[in-house]
Amino acid sequence: DVKVTQSSRYLVKRTGEKVFLECVQDMDHENMFWYRQDPGLGLRLIYFSYDVKMKEKGDIPEGYSVSREKKERFSLILESASTNQTSMYLCASLLGQGTEQYFGPGTRLTVT
Amino acid sequence: KNQVEQSPQSLIILEGKNCTLQCNYTVSPFSNLRWYKQDTGRGPVSLTIMTFSENTKSNGRYTATLDADTKQSSLHITASQLSDSASYICVVSARGNNRLAFGKGNQVVVIP
Repeated sequence: DVKVTQSSRYLVKRTGEKVFLECVQDMDHENMFWYRQDPGLGLRLIYFSYDVKMKEKGDIPEGYSVSREKKERFSLILESASTNQTSMYLCASLLGQGTEQYFGPGTRLTVT
Repeated sequence: KNQVEQSPQSLIILEGKNCTLQCNYTVSPFSNLRWYKQDTGRGPVSLTIMTFSENTKSNGRYTATLDADTKQSSLHITASQLSDSASYICVVSARGNNRLAFGKGNQVVVIP
C-alpha cells in the first residue's frame, strides 16, 4: 500500500520566515510533485521532480524552491514566507505515466 | 483557459438519491482520465482511472464514463450517502507527459 506522508498537517509561520515542507513516499516512485490548493482555483503545480536531483518548474514556481536529494524525499522551501502563500500544500508521487498518482494528507500553512 | 472544466461547481443532494458530475477536457494527445474524491482537509484519493479504450469503470457506488471522441467524462454516484460529501476532482493526463491537468472540482453536499 503506497504511502505518501507530509511532515506537518498544520503549520503557522510569520512573514519572512524560511519554511520547509517535507514529503516522503515509500514506493520507490520516480516522480514527485508539489501542489498548492486554494478555494476556487483547484490544484496548481508548483514544482515536480522526475528523478533525484532533477526538478522542473510547474505553473506557479515563484517564491518557492525544491530539493530532491534522495528518491523518497521531496522538499518544498519557501525562502521568505509571505501572506499570499497561505494555502493547502499537497505532495504527490507517481511511478510513471498511466499509473496512479498518490497524494499525501496535505499541510495547511498559514502565514501571518 | 483551463484544460479541464467541471460542472456543476457545487450541488446539494438528498441522501439516497443519485447524481452525475461532468468533466470536459481539451488535453491532447489524451492518455488517461482520473476521478479523485477529496474530503475536507484531506488529500485526494483515487476513485477511477480510465484510458482511451475504456468507456466505463466502476468503484462501488461510483461509476465513471469516458467518451474520448467528445472529450467528456462523467462520474455517477448511486444511492448517495452522507460520507459522499466531498469535492470530486477530474484529472487528465497527456501522452508523453507526467504533468496532470486538474479540474477545479465538483463540491457535493449530501443532506439527510
